[in-house]
Amino acid sequence: GAGVSQSPSNKVTEKGKDVELRCDPISGHTALYWYRQSLGQGLEFLIYFQGNSAPDKSGLPSDRFSAERTGGSVSTLTIQRTQQEDSAVYLCASSPLMDTIYFGEGSWLTVV
Amino acid sequence: ILNVEQSPQSLHVQEGDSTNFTCSFPSSNFYALHWYRWETAKSPEALFVMTLNGDEKKKGRISATLNTKEGYSYLYIKGSQPEDSATYLCALRRIDGSTLGRLYFGRGTQLTVWP
Repeated sequence: GAGVSQSPSNKVTEKGKDVELRCDPISGHTALYWYRQSLGQGLEFLIYFQGNSAPDKSGLPSDRFSAERTGGSVSTLTIQRTQQEDSAVYLCASSPLMDTIYFGEGSWLTVV
Repeated sequence: ILNVEQSPQSLHVQEGDSTNFTCSFPSSNFYALHWYRWETAKSPEALFVMTLNGDEKKKGRISATLNTKEGYSYLYIKGSQPEDSATYLCALRRIDGSTLGRLYFGRGTQLTVWP
């Protein structure tokens, strides 16, 4: 497809388990973002990859969260030892260098 | 912490009413201001990207203006329709040292248009 693709679209996991969320950006987009929205909250920045530069990880809420972007394309967001407060929709977006960003449909994570 | 403020937080209008929202941001190191529309159960969709002071953009019944010197942007919807119901987000991109940094999003204005 031509858009940003995220998987899984929905994930229910038990507290304490690890989860991996995947993002396939639009081909050729150099920038990739992860955001999340918890119930009743605004969009919360998590991490930003821009080309070969060091990622901006300043939004990761704890060391249980990590993300990587392999080959400048696909990105994986990993949450270790999930907690109930991690329940949210996790949105990935990509963009050409400094232009409009295009969002995926999100991965809805529920930690029970 | 960089604050991008949006007001009002929520708005309820009748079909046919015109409405506007505000996005305010720090004016230093400005690069671009984005507006997005986010409907429930969908992904945010870009409306406008504005870079120049005094910029005005229009898309159908929706338009936006930008003042980079005082740090605000207005989004206007003329003759609101129920399908305009969504959360409207603004986002700021700044020049971050020698690079152009990430987008800083406001919390959004949630618009509900009643038939």
